[in-house]
Amino acid sequence: QVHLVQSGAEVKKPGASVRVSCKTSGYPFTTYNIAWVRQAPGQGLEWMGWMSPYNGNTIYAEEYQGRVTMTRDTSTTTAYMELTSLRSDDTAVYYCAREGGGWLETWGQGTLIIVSS
Amino acid sequence: LMTQSPATLSASPGERVTLSCRADQIVGTNVAWYRQRPGQAPTLLIFGASNRATGLPGRFSGSASGRDFTLTISSLQSEDFALYYCQQYNTWPRTFGQGTKVDIK
Repeated sequence: QVHLVQSGAEVKKPGASVRVSCKTSGYPFTTYNIAWVRQAPGQGLEWMGWMSPYNGNTIYAEEYQGRVTMTRDTSTTTAYMELTSLRSDDTAVYYCAREGGGWLETWGQGTLIIVSS
Repeated sequence: LMTQSPATLSASPGERVTLSCRADQIVGTNVAWYRQRPGQAPTLLIFGASNRATGLPGRFSGSASGRDFTLTISSLQSEDFALYYCQQYNTWPRTFGQGTKVDIK
């Protein structure tokens, strides 16, 4: 069975960085792309970017360019999303999700990141 | 840009409801629908505009007409009172609609 298990909630100060992990299991890791989506409190879903675990290629949404890095460790079948220069409006639940053919067919449980001084 | 309507839909259990999503450009049938229950991650309902996700009950159906997409729930169950999002995956960046909340009348 396919599982995506994310790291736990964190509280960060403005200007800091955060790295969220997404441990996958139940399928060939390099065969399916991983997307990251975030959801601010009471708001909708926002697509952040996409990574190919096969070759590490990435595509980022323009608003995150320069602040986000998506990587992977094929030996542990884990994907990572790092966001730098955190601001209060980065407070959100961050999700990883396995892509099918562009749609997001399996989601992680979400990781709450709170940015507060 | 994906525009969903209505923002909120009030309905009763057993009722048939239709949720709409309009794309501001041609996206073909590269549209998915998700349901998000309170405090939970979204789950895939429909992909390719009209294909049900594995294990999804038959009361859910999706359709497309040009740039207009529809999610229909034929008979609302208690677990269907939730938020629903459409998403296009035809172009980068992928984009979601702003969501439709289905609540109990």
